[in-house]
Amino acid sequence: EPEVTQTPSHQVTQMGQEVILRCVPISNHLYFYWYRQILGQKVEFLVSFYNNEISEKSEIFDDQFSVERPDGSNFTLKIRSTKLEDSAMYFCASSVGRASGANVLTFGAGSRLTVL
Amino acid sequence: DAKTTQPPSMDCAEGRAANLPCNHSTISGNEYVYWYRQIHSQGPQYIIHGLKNNETNEMASLIITEDRKSSTLILPHATLRDTAVYYCIVRLREYGNKLVFGAGTILRVKS
Repeated sequence: EPEVTQTPSHQVTQMGQEVILRCVPISNHLYFYWYRQILGQKVEFLVSFYNNEISEKSEIFDDQFSVERPDGSNFTLKIRSTKLEDSAMYFCASSVGRASGANVLTFGAGSRLTVL
Repeated sequence: DAKTTQPPSMDCAEGRAANLPCNHSTISGNEYVYWYRQIHSQGPQYIIHGLKNNETNEMASLIITEDRKSSTLILPHATLRDTAVYYCIVRLREYGNKLVFGAGTILRVKS
């Protein structure tokens, strides 16, 4: 079964450092998403991306965050200057976006970010 | 998207059916009911979705009341591996539409 792949599985970084989290969505999917989950809290929407631009973003997704699809397969989330409160699990998801179908989001296993 | 209400937690004996309720009294006519689950900080996993008819797949059944104001997810023979947080989400089925997760129901399957 096709899956969304995320790397790294765990990253430890110092406060103020830049971090890039990578995702390989399912190959025929057109919509891409990033979510985060702080330990013990809800899964929160960050941003959705379609046709090489952001289609929607939440209040959490401020100027410290950016997303990019640098080639035909990867979808990245960059945090420019990490803060302690950025420590969380980050999930990438994709959906097919065709005119038919369930419009189901498929999630990756997540990247755990620890900011020290 | 309409708001949903789920019990915070439920227990179920292994091998028995797990029935997880969800209230969505403000659901609109073109909003679907989706169920996802999250096993111990893994990525959320799609289970099933429906509009107004009952649905069944290899994982679960979804029963939606006739007025569509509530639904029940049924895991017919729960196993220990079904212990997870279960999310009931109501949303339009428009492409690119995000999922908004609430607190969900923690289902504990016990032997």
